[in-house]
Amino acid sequence: AQSVTQLDSQVPVFEEAPVELRCNYSSSVSVYLFWYVQYPNQGLQLLLKYLSGSTLVESINGFEAEFNKSQTSFHLRKPSVHISDTAEYFCAVSDFFGNEKLTFGTGTRLTIIP
Amino acid sequence: DGGITQSPKYLFRKEGQNVTLSCEQNLNHDAMYWYRQDPGQGLRLIYYSQIVNDFQKGDIAEGYSVSREKKESFPLTVTSAQKNPTAFYLCASTIRGTEAFFGQGTRLTVV
Repeated sequence: AQSVTQLDSQVPVFEEAPVELRCNYSSSVSVYLFWYVQYPNQGLQLLLKYLSGSTLVESINGFEAEFNKSQTSFHLRKPSVHISDTAEYFCAVSDFFGNEKLTFGTGTRLTIIP
Repeated sequence: DGGITQSPKYLFRKEGQNVTLSCEQNLNHDAMYWYRQDPGQGLRLIYYSQIVNDFQKGDIAEGYSVSREKKESFPLTVTSAQKNPTAFYLCASTIRGTEAFFGQGTRLTVV
């Protein structure tokens, strides 16, 4: 079985400040890792993903995440946030050995303070 | 445009009624999923299907039923056995677990 822990349910950050949203996972097999973003009353959109290769992955809007196998983490970072980054962020894991079940964390609500 | 369509966007259910939420995809994905979202609880898996005519229970399947008669469609029925159905329901599909595509969700309210 796999699980995802997002330790921070809410993170307030001043505009243009850096932010880190934490994600730790547990799995007995190799995994794919994802960050999704959700705006109010909408579905989830993929922000970035780690499948293999470089452990540092980036999104088109300035977010990045680093896969750390030894610490089983996949923290999301942005060096300077904007008002438009206000949303809920979900970390997710899937096991690619035949079981495509996606498991999500409980989410982190990021609030940008002007 | 390829994607996942959920309907309706808002749904109201009376006590004791069964209701069906629609999910259609034209992405040619094999796997489809239903999640329930409640404030502060993230997404919880209700049912998932990796192939036509086959599906598995997720973590909170009690009070729900699904069918997968066509690759494109994965409807979810919320039965009267589900005692607390008010929630936001999300449908998703994936291709070999590499990325999930989500619909816009259905908000179900018991009246």
